[in-house]
Amino acid sequence: GENVEQHPSTLSVQEGDSAVIKCTYSDSASNYFPWYKQELGKRPQLIIDIRSNVGEKKDQRIAVTLNKTAKHFSLHITETQPEDSAVYFCAASGGSNYKLTFGKGTLLTVNP
Amino acid sequence: GAGVSQSPSNKVTEKGKDVELRCDPISGHTALYWYRQRLGQGLEFLIYFQGNSAPDKSGLPSDRFSAERTGESVSTLTIQRTQQEDSAVYLCASSFKTTVHTGELFFGEGSRLTVL
Repeated sequence: GENVEQHPSTLSVQEGDSAVIKCTYSDSASNYFPWYKQELGKRPQLIIDIRSNVGEKKDQRIAVTLNKTAKHFSLHITETQPEDSAVYFCAASGGSNYKLTFGKGTLLTVNP
Repeated sequence: GAGVSQSPSNKVTEKGKDVELRCDPISGHTALYWYRQRLGQGLEFLIYFQGNSAPDKSGLPSDRFSAERTGESVSTLTIQRTQQEDSAVYLCASSFKTTVHTGELFFGEGSRLTVL
């Protein structure tokens, strides 16, 4: 089955800096890669996703890049703000099309 | 309801007892998922329902775990003879679409289970 590795496990940045979180996946059939944000004590929520037919997608301060050859994808957050502090999970969906396999999460802390 | 609702939000039980966790998905969502989140870990897939059927139970850790869904709505996850390693947050999610490619997963706030 699919295996998703996520790095780093923790990331601390100063407000205004950029943050990058990286994930690798094992199943070459995977073709959908969402990112979920989980604030402390709250439910995970989808923030951005990318499908395998594109290499990059942006939404305001958030962008995701995908390298299918290398089987890795990354989340980029620019101009970070304290409210960006949360745990971020990457995920991949393969041939089954219904199951998401999640990474272990990255705790992002944005210091004012 | 407005979102996915789970109960209880917190459950403390003694080792060996059975527990039932409930999930009320968003009305009209045909797909329902259970995930387990251990402290500091990612979301571990347990089971997927399409309607009332569970085509994939591969993530259930042992035969002490079972789940059902009725009326294409409420789902219950039952853990029999609980053990300390069952302690975790159990998250339920639902989706309008049958594939994650076209349907965002909407999560509940989870049921935190502590087995003493």
